Amino acid sequence: AQTVTQSQPEMSVQEAETVTLSCTYDTSESNYYLFWYKQPPSRQMILVIRQEAYKQQNATENRFSVNFQKAAKSFSLKISDSQLGDTAMYFCAFTAGSYQLTFGKGTKLSVIP
Amino acid sequence: NAGVTQTPKFQVLKTGQSMTLQCAQDMNHNSMYWYRQDPGMGLRLIYYSASEGTTDKGEVPNGYNVSRLNKREFSLRLESAAPSQTSVYFCASSQRDRSNYGYTFGSGTRLTVV
Repeated sequence: AQTVTQSQPEMSVQEAETVTLSCTYDTSESNYYLFWYKQPPSRQMILVIRQEAYKQQNATENRFSVNFQKAAKSFSLKISDSQLGDTAMYFCAFTAGSYQLTFGKGTKLSVIP
Repeated sequence: NAGVTQTPKFQVLKTGQSMTLQCAQDMNHNSMYWYRQDPGMGLRLIYYSASEGTTDKGEVPNGYNVSRLNKREFSLRLESAAPSQTSVYFCASSQRDRSNYGYTFGSGTRLTVV
């Protein structure tokens, strides 16, 4: 079974600074997909970024980028130039192409003005 | 706007009561899912439907039943609600062959069982 671990229950960052959220996973699959979802206080789940395991290049979406270390089974999210609207729960998730998306327990990020 | 619609958004039940959570998507997705979210637990899969006419258990199916009414609709039923089922429930959908692109989620239902 696949597992996803987010070791930081809560984090804070000053506005305009950079923060990195950690995620590790465990799988025996060779081809899989990793995601970061954002859940603001509105409760809506929003896909932030997606990474395909067979791609060496780290995914980037505007101020959001990942550091994907396949050998270490690590998938961290970097948020640059943090904004107040980035305050949210962030979930790391994994799928090996099955129907199930496995989530970590989440990291609560607070952006401080 | 296209997406996943869940009803109701909030509900309070007494122990032993039953209710059905409704979910509909208008993106022509084949696969639909029900998750529950509890503090410190992330999201856990209750049931999923890979395609119209099929349903399968996820990680935490006990106490729930589902119905895939048609391609658009996937409902979750609590036959006899228990306080342990107090949670936020999310419905989601994906293309069967494109689940690798992630899911589209509804806005959730906050259920309290007293």
